[in-house]
Amino acid sequence: DAKTTQPPSMDCAEGRAANLPCNHSTISGNEYVYWYRQIHSQGPQYIIHGLKNNETNEMASLIITEDRKSSTLILPHATLRDTAVYYCIVRGGATNKLIFGTGTLLAVQP
Amino acid sequence: GAGVSQTPSNKVTEKGKYVELRCDPISGHTALYWYRQSLGQGPEFLIYFQGTGAADDSGLPNDRFFAVRPEGSVSTLKIQRTERGDSAVYLCASSLSGQGGTEAFFGQGTRLTVV
Repeated sequence: DAKTTQPPSMDCAEGRAANLPCNHSTISGNEYVYWYRQIHSQGPQYIIHGLKNNETNEMASLIITEDRKSSTLILPHATLRDTAVYYCIVRGGATNKLIFGTGTLLAVQP
Repeated sequence: GAGVSQTPSNKVTEKGKYVELRCDPISGHTALYWYRQSLGQGPEFLIYFQGTGAADDSGLPNDRFFAVRPEGSVSTLKIQRTERGDSAVYLCASSLSGQGGTEAFFGQGTRLTVV
């Protein structure tokens, strides 16, 4: 299973865009990039996923580099409720299990 | 319900006892995953079901842990002879299929405390 590397923590001002980076240099061609977040004491919440193309939904945008070795999750207008641990995960292989790392703790500041 | 449901939400048990944790996946989801999360860590994969069968149980830590999904819907994680080190939040997730492009949705977890 491909591994991911994320910064342990980041700060963002409320109302500004939060850009969370992730490196996944060993990703295989059929593996997807997934983002989840976890707010304290809750189960992980699905945010977005992509294979090659950039993706956008009501929560966020996902930018994947052309070589697919890294990606960025963008929260366009961060709010205090976006404070959470954000996990970047490469999913694929025989069982498509999600392998979590330690994630990025995003702290949105008022 | 609309989401993944896990019961109980909290479980306190004595060391050496047997416990069962239940997961009700989203209706129609064929893939089901169990994870364990210790304080300050990311969720750790335990086992994956596709339908009724365990397609990958490589994450189960030892033979005290066992999971079943007899009818391809509800799953039960069973822990025998519990130890204090088993204390953690146990998370269940389901997805429409086991394909890489289908998102998995998590329940709120069962917090297990072994005293």
